[in-house]
Amino acid sequence: QVQLKESGPGLVQPSQTLSLTCTVSGFSLTSYNVHWVRQPPGKGLEWMGRMRYNGDTSYNSALKSRLSISRDTSKNQVFLKMNSLQTDDTGTYYCTRSGSLFDYWGQGVMVTVSS
Amino acid sequence: QITLTQQAESLWISPGERVSITCRASQSLLYTDGKHYLSWYQQRPGQTTKALIYHASVRTDGVPTRFIGSGSGTEFTLSIEHVQPEDFAIYYCLQTLKSPFTFGSGTKLEIK
Repeated sequence: QVQLKESGPGLVQPSQTLSLTCTVSGFSLTSYNVHWVRQPPGKGLEWMGRMRYNGDTSYNSALKSRLSISRDTSKNQVFLKMNSLQTDDTGTYYCTRSGSLFDYWGQGVMVTVSS
Repeated sequence: QITLTQQAESLWISPGERVSITCRASQSLLYTDGKHYLSWYQQRPGQTTKALIYHASVRTDGVPTRFIGSGSGTEFTLSIEHVQPEDFAIYYCLQTLKSPFTFGSGTKLEIK
Protein backbone atom coordinates (compact mmCIF):
# COMPACT_ATOMS: atom_id res chain seq x y z
CA GLN A 1 0.00 0.00 0.00
CA VAL A 2 1.53 3.26 -1.15
CA GLN A 3 1.78 5.93 1.54
CA LEU A 4 3.55 9.24 1.95
CA LYS A 5 3.71 11.09 5.24
CA GLU A 6 5.11 14.55 5.84
CA SER A 7 6.61 15.57 9.15
CA GLY A 8 8.27 18.65 10.52
CA PRO A 9 7.83 21.62 12.82
CA GLY A 10 4.50 23.38 12.79
CA LEU A 11 6.01 26.75 13.64
CA VAL A 12 9.08 28.40 12.20
CA GLN A 13 10.40 31.85 12.97
CA PRO A 14 10.92 34.37 10.17
CA SER A 15 14.34 34.19 8.53
CA GLN A 16 14.84 30.65 9.84
CA THR A 17 15.16 27.41 7.89
CA LEU A 18 12.33 24.95 7.34
CA SER A 19 13.18 21.25 7.40
CA LEU A 20 10.56 18.72 6.38
CA THR A 21 10.69 14.97 5.89
CA CYS A 22 8.55 12.85 3.60
CA THR A 23 8.57 9.20 4.67
CA VAL A 24 7.28 6.83 2.02
CA SER A 25 6.18 3.22 2.02
CA GLY A 26 4.87 0.79 -0.53
CA PHE A 27 7.26 1.84 -3.29
CA SER A 28 10.91 2.52 -3.94
CA LEU A 29 12.42 5.99 -4.21
CA THR A 30 14.64 4.59 -6.95
CA SER A 31 11.59 3.83 -9.11
CA TYR A 32 9.44 6.94 -8.70
CA ASN A 33 9.85 10.69 -8.49
CA VAL A 34 8.76 12.51 -5.33
CA HIS A 35 7.66 16.13 -5.44
CA TRP A 36 7.02 18.82 -2.89
CA VAL A 37 3.91 20.98 -3.36
CA ARG A 38 2.69 23.71 -1.04
CA GLN A 39 -0.58 25.53 -0.49
CA PRO A 40 -1.03 28.82 1.37
CA PRO A 41 -4.19 28.95 3.49
CA GLY A 42 -7.26 29.30 1.28
CA LYS A 43 -5.17 29.46 -1.89
CA GLY A 44 -4.03 27.19 -4.70
CA LEU A 45 -1.25 24.69 -5.16
CA GLU A 46 2.37 25.56 -5.98
CA TRP A 47 4.92 23.04 -7.22
CA MET A 48 8.18 23.49 -5.35
CA GLY A 49 10.51 20.87 -6.73
CA ARG A 50 11.20 17.19 -7.16
CA MET A 51 13.59 14.39 -6.38
CA ARG A 52 13.79 12.15 -9.40
CA TYR A 53 14.09 8.36 -9.14
CA ASN A 54 17.73 8.60 -10.27
CA GLY A 55 18.66 11.16 -7.61
CA ASP A 56 18.50 14.25 -9.81
CA THR A 57 16.63 17.26 -8.53
CA SER A 58 14.79 20.17 -10.12
CA TYR A 59 13.30 23.23 -8.51
CA ASN A 60 10.76 25.94 -9.10
CA SER A 61 12.90 28.86 -10.23
CA ALA A 62 10.95 31.16 -7.90
CA LEU A 63 12.26 29.17 -4.92
CA LYS A 64 15.51 27.75 -6.25
CA SER A 65 17.83 30.05 -4.34
CA ARG A 66 16.27 29.02 -1.01
CA LEU A 67 15.32 25.41 -1.60
CA SER A 68 17.11 22.09 -1.36
CA ILE A 69 15.67 18.60 -1.78
CA SER A 70 17.59 15.46 -0.85
CA ARG A 71 16.89 11.86 0.07
CA ASP A 72 17.98 8.83 2.03
CA THR A 73 16.91 5.76 0.09
CA SER A 74 17.85 3.42 2.96
CA LYS A 75 15.29 5.16 5.16
CA ASN A 76 12.73 5.76 2.38
CA GLN A 77 12.80 9.46 3.09
CA VAL A 78 12.88 12.62 1.02
CA PHE A 79 13.87 15.89 2.66
CA LEU A 80 13.02 19.51 1.99
CA LYS A 81 15.05 22.38 3.33
CA MET A 82 14.11 25.97 2.64
CA ASN A 83 15.89 28.93 4.16
CA SER A 84 15.06 32.58 4.80
CA LEU A 85 11.44 31.84 5.56
CA GLN A 86 8.93 34.68 5.49
CA THR A 87 5.29 34.91 6.53
CA ASP A 88 4.09 34.20 3.00
CA ASP A 89 5.75 30.79 3.24
CA THR A 90 2.99 29.83 5.67
CA GLY A 91 0.87 26.99 4.36
CA THR A 92 0.42 23.27 4.03
CA TYR A 93 3.33 21.36 2.53
CA TYR A 94 2.68 18.12 0.68
CA CYS A 95 4.84 15.43 -0.78
CA THR A 96 3.50 13.45 -3.70
CA ARG A 97 4.67 10.59 -5.88
CA SER A 98 4.70 10.75 -9.65
CA GLY A 99 4.88 8.41 -12.53
CA SER A 100 2.58 9.62 -15.30
CA LEU A 101 0.81 11.81 -12.79
CA PHE A 102 0.91 12.78 -9.13
CA ASP A 103 -0.89 9.62 -8.13
CA TYR A 104 -0.41 9.50 -4.35
CA TRP A 105 -0.27 12.42 -1.95
CA GLY A 106 0.47 12.79 1.72
CA GLN A 107 -1.96 14.44 4.10
CA GLY A 108 0.29 17.46 4.31
CA VAL A 109 1.93 19.29 7.17
CA MET A 110 0.85 22.78 8.18
CA VAL A 111 3.74 25.20 8.62
CA THR A 112 3.26 28.63 10.16
CA VAL A 113 5.95 31.24 9.86
CA SER A 114 5.62 33.60 12.78
CA SER A 115 7.63 35.11 15.59
CA GLN B 1 6.86 29.16 -17.41
CA ILE B 2 3.55 27.70 -18.63
CA THR B 3 0.51 29.41 -17.13
CA LEU B 4 -2.70 27.45 -16.59
CA THR B 5 -5.89 29.49 -16.37
CA GLN B 6 -9.03 28.14 -14.74
CA GLN B 7 -11.42 30.99 -15.45
CA ALA B 8 -14.16 29.91 -13.07
CA GLU B 9 -13.27 30.30 -9.42
CA SER B 10 -16.60 28.72 -8.43
CA LEU B 11 -19.39 26.85 -10.17
CA TRP B 12 -22.79 26.36 -8.56
CA ILE B 13 -24.71 23.31 -9.63
CA SER B 14 -27.34 20.92 -8.31
CA PRO B 15 -26.66 17.23 -7.66
CA GLY B 16 -27.44 15.18 -10.72
CA GLU B 17 -26.48 17.89 -13.18
CA ARG B 18 -23.55 17.87 -15.58
CA VAL B 19 -20.70 20.35 -15.17
CA SER B 20 -17.60 21.25 -17.16
CA ILE B 21 -14.46 22.83 -15.73
CA THR B 22 -12.05 24.39 -18.18
CA CYS B 23 -8.29 24.86 -18.06
CA ARG B 24 -6.41 26.91 -20.64
CA ALA B 25 -2.63 26.67 -21.07
CA SER B 26 -0.38 29.48 -22.27
CA GLN B 27 1.22 27.06 -24.73
CA SER B 28 0.50 23.66 -26.15
CA LEU B 29 0.86 20.77 -23.72
CA LEU B 30 1.39 18.25 -26.52
CA TYR B 31 4.70 16.42 -26.36
CA THR B 32 6.50 14.64 -29.18
CA ASP B 33 5.19 11.30 -27.88
CA GLY B 34 1.69 12.40 -28.87
CA LYS B 35 0.51 12.80 -25.28
CA HIS B 36 -0.74 15.89 -23.53
CA TYR B 37 0.90 16.46 -20.15
CA LEU B 38 -2.18 17.75 -18.40
CA SER B 39 -3.75 16.12 -15.36
CA TRP B 40 -6.66 16.86 -13.03
CA TYR B 41 -6.91 16.62 -9.23
CA GLN B 42 -9.65 16.84 -6.64
CA GLN B 43 -9.26 18.34 -3.17
CA ARG B 44 -11.83 17.69 -0.46
CA PRO B 45 -11.48 18.84 3.15
CA GLY B 46 -9.92 16.21 5.39
CA GLN B 47 -8.92 13.97 2.49
CA THR B 48 -5.74 13.52 0.56
CA THR B 49 -5.58 15.13 -2.85
CA LYS B 50 -6.92 12.72 -5.42
CA ALA B 51 -5.67 12.22 -8.96
CA LEU B 52 -8.51 11.92 -11.46
CA ILE B 53 -7.23 12.21 -15.03
CA TYR B 54 -3.83 12.19 -16.74
CA HIS B 55 -2.65 12.73 -20.31
CA ALA B 56 -5.74 14.95 -20.62
CA SER B 57 -8.22 12.09 -20.95
CA VAL B 58 -7.02 8.93 -19.19
CA ARG B 59 -8.99 8.12 -16.07
CA THR B 60 -6.95 6.99 -13.05
CA ASP B 61 -7.73 3.54 -11.63
CA GLY B 62 -10.84 3.57 -9.48
CA VAL B 63 -12.09 6.98 -10.63
CA PRO B 64 -15.79 6.80 -11.52
CA THR B 65 -16.67 6.92 -15.19
CA ARG B 66 -18.70 10.10 -14.64
CA PHE B 67 -15.37 11.97 -14.63
CA ILE B 68 -14.35 12.69 -18.22
CA GLY B 69 -11.24 14.54 -19.38
CA SER B 70 -11.04 16.03 -22.84
CA GLY B 71 -9.21 18.63 -24.87
CA SER B 72 -6.01 19.13 -26.75
CA GLY B 73 -3.34 21.70 -27.45
CA THR B 74 -4.04 24.47 -24.99
CA GLU B 75 -7.71 23.91 -24.09
CA PHE B 76 -8.79 21.21 -21.66
CA THR B 77 -11.99 20.28 -19.90
CA LEU B 78 -12.92 18.13 -16.95
CA SER B 79 -16.58 17.14 -17.16
CA ILE B 80 -18.55 15.47 -14.42
CA GLU B 81 -21.82 13.84 -15.42
CA HIS B 82 -24.61 13.37 -12.88
CA VAL B 83 -22.71 15.16 -10.13
CA GLN B 84 -22.82 13.30 -6.81
CA PRO B 85 -22.73 14.90 -3.33
CA GLU B 86 -19.13 13.73 -2.83
CA ASP B 87 -18.05 15.59 -5.99
CA PHE B 88 -18.45 19.02 -4.39
CA ALA B 89 -14.79 19.90 -4.01
CA ILE B 90 -12.01 21.98 -5.55
CA TYR B 91 -10.53 20.86 -8.86
CA TYR B 92 -7.07 21.72 -10.14
CA CYS B 93 -5.38 21.14 -13.45
CA LEU B 94 -1.61 20.58 -13.59
CA GLN B 95 0.87 20.66 -16.46
CA THR B 96 3.95 18.46 -16.30
CA LEU B 97 5.26 19.19 -19.79
CA LYS B 98 7.88 21.68 -18.68
CA SER B 99 9.53 22.56 -15.42
CA PRO B 100 8.50 24.42 -13.38
CA PHE B 101 5.34 22.36 -13.30
CA THR B 102 2.34 24.60 -12.75
CA PHE B 103 -1.18 24.25 -11.41
CA GLY B 104 -4.31 26.10 -12.40
CA SER B 105 -5.80 28.33 -9.73
CA GLY B 106 -8.57 25.87 -8.94
CA THR B 107 -12.33 25.70 -9.49
CA LYS B 108 -14.63 25.09 -6.54
CA LEU B 109 -17.79 23.12 -7.21
CA GLU B 110 -20.55 24.36 -4.92
CA ILE B 111 -24.07 23.16 -4.28
CA LYS B 112 -26.77 25.37 -5.76
